[in-house]
Amino acid sequence: TQLLEQSPQFLSIQEGENLTVYCNSSSVFSSLQWYRQEPGEGPVLLVTVVTGGEVKKLKRLTFQFGDARKDSSLHITAAQPGDTGLYLCAGVRRTGTASKLTFGTGTRLQVTL
Amino acid sequence: NAGVTQTPKFQVLKTGQSMTLQCAQDMNHEYMSWYRQDPGMGLRLIHYSVGAGITDQGEVPNGYNVSRSTTEDFPLRLLSAAPSQTSVYFCASSYSYSYYTGELFFGEGSRLTVL
Repeated sequence: TQLLEQSPQFLSIQEGENLTVYCNSSSVFSSLQWYRQEPGEGPVLLVTVVTGGEVKKLKRLTFQFGDARKDSSLHITAAQPGDTGLYLCAGVRRTGTASKLTFGTGTRLQVTL
Repeated sequence: NAGVTQTPKFQVLKTGQSMTLQCAQDMNHEYMSWYRQDPGMGLRLIHYSVGAGITDQGEVPNGYNVSRSTTEDFPLRLLSAAPSQTSVYFCASSYSYSYYTGELFFGEGSRLTVL
């Protein structure tokens, strides 16, 4: 069962456009992380949001954690070709032995000139 | 710094063969894990370890074994490869097993094809 659904699955836009990626779940998470993965490489952490309603900005990227800590969004302003990649959200839940990450289905973004 | 190192990067197996994917980290991380990545399904946890001698199952453990004899190494063994195990495998580590704000560091991945 996939706990985290991302939308859209694919996104192809031109340089300068804005976009929003959504990460939705019916489960509550302790925190939520966003990773970016480029071809042939492993994912790299962009940000972690912890508090319901929290907003974090990383240059042109804005991340928001839902008030109920069940969903998150990633907004990119004025996209650039360097933003191209696979974006993965990951919900963190505390368990008895370790905190576990559940990854979303992924959003593949292509930004063209 | 090497970070998380996985070998091999590519491997082709025949159905029924066994093999081991190697993972090593040089950051003295407590937590290590193995994920598989398949199109449209994100990353799914196979097995994880919170320290040397301690391992546990993730979401999709069937057909895989792990052990953690040292802090640095966390090999993943495929016992009898099946076409359904064709995937890209990632090893990841983190400083603390009890993290909830920490960062997972990933290797570059191992692409496995089972014929």
